[in-house]
Amino acid sequence: NSKVIQTPRYLVKGQGQKAKMRCIPEKGHPVVFWYQQNKNNEFKFLINFQNQEVLQQIDMTEKRFSAECPSNSPCSLEIQSSEAGDSALYLCASSQGQTGNTLYFGEGSRLIVV
Amino acid sequence: GQQVKQSSPSLTVQEGGISILNCDYENDMFDYFAWYKKYPDNSPTLLISVRSNVDKREDGRLTVFLNKSGKHFSLHITASQPEDTAVYLCAAENQGGSAKLIFGEGTKLTVSS
Repeated sequence: NSKVIQTPRYLVKGQGQKAKMRCIPEKGHPVVFWYQQNKNNEFKFLINFQNQEVLQQIDMTEKRFSAECPSNSPCSLEIQSSEAGDSALYLCASSQGQTGNTLYFGEGSRLIVV
Repeated sequence: GQQVKQSSPSLTVQEGGISILNCDYENDMFDYFAWYKKYPDNSPTLLISVRSNVDKREDGRLTVFLNKSGKHFSLHITASQPEDTAVYLCAAENQGGSAKLIFGEGTKLTVSS
């Protein structure tokens, strides 16, 4: 059973609506990653954090997503205005360090944009 | 473009045979390579990883071969079993650079009995 907790498991949004997903990393893991698995099974890196600070993010995330990892609260990933192409499985993972460390994944939040 | 590629979306192997899963990468700065396994409706879990200072790493029935000049690495599973049936994702990163593990699209391995 995954120790990385993601909620909700499923969400359905209309185009233009906000879509927010949450992630509680494994205890003691300071680094959190978000990936998007699309219909072509491509795992696209979106953003990662160390503690509360953003380490890296791709252009799409910077422009259309809002993400944070506040202390003592779940991390979150929010799409500001959902598009049909955002329909995907969003996976959160945590690790003990930035590189060369095992990623522990949650079960994902599946977003369907209608 | 896709920096880490798995050209075979699927592979079928007879029980007891050797499963060979392949992965190619573009960035010659990558120095950490990993294979993750994913069962349907489950999240990926790390199987085995290797750093670029070695060409080969064995762990039980699993062996990773790294060909740095060819920008290629592979996972060999000996004595394949039906429970090895899963999606296998290769991944790579540049430990000295950006903190992000880049995944391939996955290869669905089916071990038939």
